[in-house]
Amino acid sequence: GGIITQTPKFLIGQEGQKLTLKCQQNFNHDTMYWYRQDSGKGLRLIYYSITENDLQKGDLSEGYDASREKKSSFSLTVTSAQKNEMAVFLCASSGTSEQFFGPGTRLTVL
Amino acid sequence: GQQVQQSPASLVLQEGENAELQCNFSSTATQLQWFYQSPGGSLVSLLSNPSGTKHTGRLTSTTVTKERRSSLHISSSQTTDSGTYLCAIALTGGYKVVFGSGTRLLVSP
Repeated sequence: GGIITQTPKFLIGQEGQKLTLKCQQNFNHDTMYWYRQDSGKGLRLIYYSITENDLQKGDLSEGYDASREKKSSFSLTVTSAQKNEMAVFLCASSGTSEQFFGPGTRLTVL
Repeated sequence: GQQVQQSPASLVLQEGENAELQCNFSSTATQLQWFYQSPGGSLVSLLSNPSGTKHTGRLTSTTVTKERRSSLHISSSQTTDSGTYLCAIALTGGYKVVFGSGTRLLVSP
């Protein structure tokens, strides 16, 4: 089996700040994803990447940048954090048929 | 409109009762997966079932691809089954994966 690691687990930022979230997987999967989940709601796709150096926009990409410099890692940057923003950011990877998720990064913006 | 719709939005059962959760999707899905999420937790894959019927433990998923629907049946529910059940499909050549809003299940003793 494999594992997906997300850092940091908790992230507190200030309004307007640029914040970076990191994700690592050792499944050797080609495709990786970033989702945002607001409290009590479903997941919204921010970015995904089919292979190293590839980036595809999801439905919620505005306000975010992503980077896939290695097959095993996928970073997400909040370009300008919004005051009172609170959400969990979930990273996932997939092989041929199943998607697996990391534990999430919980973001709070003061 | 929403590409993946789940029903019911919430469900309350007594322990031992069965649950039937539905997932309808508006696009052709090359992949369909059911997930479980505990309160405050991450997502755990339950079943990957793009077509036909699959069983694992007390869970049975049936997907009818041409009708764009899938169901998840939980038999003999337990209090530990409480949480949110999410359905996800892959679009656009199998890479873009989108989720429904989930069904919140509460099983009381």
